[in-house]
Amino acid sequence: GESVGLHLPTLSVQEGDNSIINCAYSNSASDYFIWYKQESGKGPQFIIDIRSNMDKRQGQRVTVLLNKTVKHLSLQIAATQPGDSAVYFCAEKDPGGYNKLIFGAGTRLAVHP
Amino acid sequence: NAGVTQTPKFQVLKTGQSMTLQCAQDMNHEYMSWYRQDPGMGLRLIHYSVGAGITDQGEVPNGYNVSRSTTEDFPLRLLSAAPSQTSVYFCASSYSTATVNEQYFGPGTRLTVT
Repeated sequence: GESVGLHLPTLSVQEGDNSIINCAYSNSASDYFIWYKQESGKGPQFIIDIRSNMDKRQGQRVTVLLNKTVKHLSLQIAATQPGDSAVYFCAEKDPGGYNKLIFGAGTRLAVHP
Repeated sequence: NAGVTQTPKFQVLKTGQSMTLQCAQDMNHEYMSWYRQDPGMGLRLIHYSVGAGITDQGEVPNGYNVSRSTTEDFPLRLLSAAPSQTSVYFCASSYSTATVNEQYFGPGTRLTVT
């Protein structure tokens, strides 16, 4: 498997700290917003999603916040671990036509011990 | 379940050559799709299928063909490879079009066209 991300913005955090990864989306009609994690050499992996009628959703150690007013999405990771090091993508589900996903460019999260 | 599998992992082609990237899933998913991933850019949808016998174009379909003769398989064909098609290709599947937000991705194929 492969991953791509030579020129991505990087967020560096210390192990145990909380991480916040931000994303701006484009389509105000999108009805789902999704976060994916891509580890080196692997395909993207679904983390969590949030419907457009929600502001916040929590999972295990992760929280997604949605601000529709400014078209902003964030992923918060609590107590970041070395295994969280990866590239994180946000995506929006466009309900038009074929429900396609529109992906952001990604952010690399580097966790230091 | 093996999930979504892709072959080959790596491929080098000369300009003008053709080839097929293979994708298979064993989860009985209706929806399958192909994306390409380029440096500094998010994944872009090439083609997708909502079920056997049904395919349609995504954002960047030019230079690629697909077919869906079975639920399990969704091959992507490069008709005449060009250097602009150098990329990492991911196949993905989901239970249905309604659950495309929860797609499962394969490990990817890195293609280099010289």
